[in-house]
Amino acid sequence: DSGVTQTPKHLITATGQRVTLRCSPRSGDLSVYWYQQSLDQGLQFLIQYYNGEERAKGNILERFSAQQFPDLHSELNLSSLELGDSALYFCASSVAGANTEAFFGQGTRLTVV
Amino acid sequence: QQQVKQSPQSLIVQKGGISIINCAYENTAFDYFPWYQQFPGKGPALLIAIRPDVSEKKEGRFTISFNKSAKQFSLHIMDSQPGDSATYFCAASSTTSGTYKYIFGTGTRLKVLA
Repeated sequence: DSGVTQTPKHLITATGQRVTLRCSPRSGDLSVYWYQQSLDQGLQFLIQYYNGEERAKGNILERFSAQQFPDLHSELNLSSLELGDSALYFCASSVAGANTEAFFGQGTRLTVV
Repeated sequence: QQQVKQSPQSLIVQKGGISIINCAYENTAFDYFPWYQQFPGKGPALLIAIRPDVSEKKEGRFTISFNKSAKQFSLHIMDSQPGDSATYFCAASSTTSGTYKYIFGTGTRLKVLA
C-alpha cells in the first residue's frame, strides 16, 4: 500500500458526461501529480500541484481541470467525455518537488461508453 | 529534450537470468532517476532510484547503473524470477530547471520464464 488513495476505483460513464476523480496523497506529502495511462501505453503527465498551487502542466486537454484543496487532497475533473478518454488515471504524491520519491495510487479506471 | 528513451520495448528472460533495461535522456538538468514496476491493473510502484552523484546503486536483486557522461542509466535485475514479470518504467526529473514533473520512458514489458 503506497498510502495514496484514489476514488473511485472504477467509473463507467457515457460520452458527453462529466466526472470527478479524487486523490488523497500520503500523509505529509505536499505535491500531487496526475497521469493518464491508456491501454498498454506509457504514463502521460497531466498536471502537478504543490501545496495548493499549480506548478506544472502537461498535455492536459482543455476539457480537463484539476485543483488541490487546503487539506491537500486533489480532484481531477473530466468533462464532455469522449470514447478516447477511457484510460487509467493515476495520482501520485511526493513530499516536495519532483526530485523526491513519488508514490502512486492504484488508479481510477475510466470507461466512456 | 524532455524525453526519456527506454529500450527494449519487451524482454523475455529465463528464470535465474539477468534482465537489463536501458534508458537515455537529453536534458542535463535531470537530477533524479527512479524506476517503477507496474503489474497489470495496478499503480506503478517505486522500485529504486538514483541521483547523478553516484554511478551505481544496489537494492537486493535490483541495481541501477548510471553513466552521466553518456546520459544513460539502466536497471539490472539479477536472478530474475517469474514474479518479476511486469512492466518497468524509467523516469527522470529535475526541479532546478523548473521541470516539476517526472518524465517517464515508454515502458518495458518483462516476462520471466519459469
